[in-house]
Amino acid sequence: EAQVTQNPRYLITVTGKKLTVTCSQNMNHEYMSWYRQDPGLGLRQIYYSMNVEVTDKGDVPEGYKVSRKEKRNFPLILESPSPNQTSLYFCASSTRGRFSYEQYFGPGTRLTVT
Amino acid sequence: DQQVKQNSPSLSVQEGRISILNCDYTNSMFDYFLWYKKYPAEGPTFLISISSIKDKNEDGRFTVFLNKSAKHLSLHIVPSQPGDSAVYFCAASASNYQLIWGAGTKLIIKP
Repeated sequence: EAQVTQNPRYLITVTGKKLTVTCSQNMNHEYMSWYRQDPGLGLRQIYYSMNVEVTDKGDVPEGYKVSRKEKRNFPLILESPSPNQTSLYFCASSTRGRFSYEQYFGPGTRLTVT
Repeated sequence: DQQVKQNSPSLSVQEGRISILNCDYTNSMFDYFLWYKKYPAEGPTFLISISSIKDKNEDGRFTVFLNKSAKHLSLHIVPSQPGDSAVYFCAASASNYQLIWGAGTKLIIKP
């Protein structure tokens, strides 16, 4: 089954404790992306990756890091989480190419930072 | 400033009737528009899209209309079914891989 998986689905942590949210896709997609969803703001892009070892900032990259060492995995790293990073996070993937904007999303990770 | 706006946070429609969800945008460089549907505790799923060279795209019960002069697009669902109850997001792109998203409209289909 074609899918994007994220782990963990729920996470409660404290300010300053480093954490990693994993994302994996089994569709051999080149493009992967991380979003956060906040009430009234829709989805905002944090980072994206066009291919292995190629990453770039989205609209709200501050406080986040990513890496793309393998095509299937795109982990999101919060080195020192703060309460304003409490949010619902989605990983997505798609093929590349003109108008390949149909992105496949993971189920989401709800993060609470106290 | 939000470049993609969905001004109705929620919409309630009778089952069997037409649902019309609206989306406005400000960036004239957007050339591709998409609608996604999201159920609770799930990620968004792609629904339908339209290129700026078209003014209408249809897929079964779903039709998207694009009015470039008004910078407005709409999603029509006919007939509306209970399974259509979800949050609908409008998204737009300006010839790159970044999607700019609206805040979403919660559609409630009443039996």
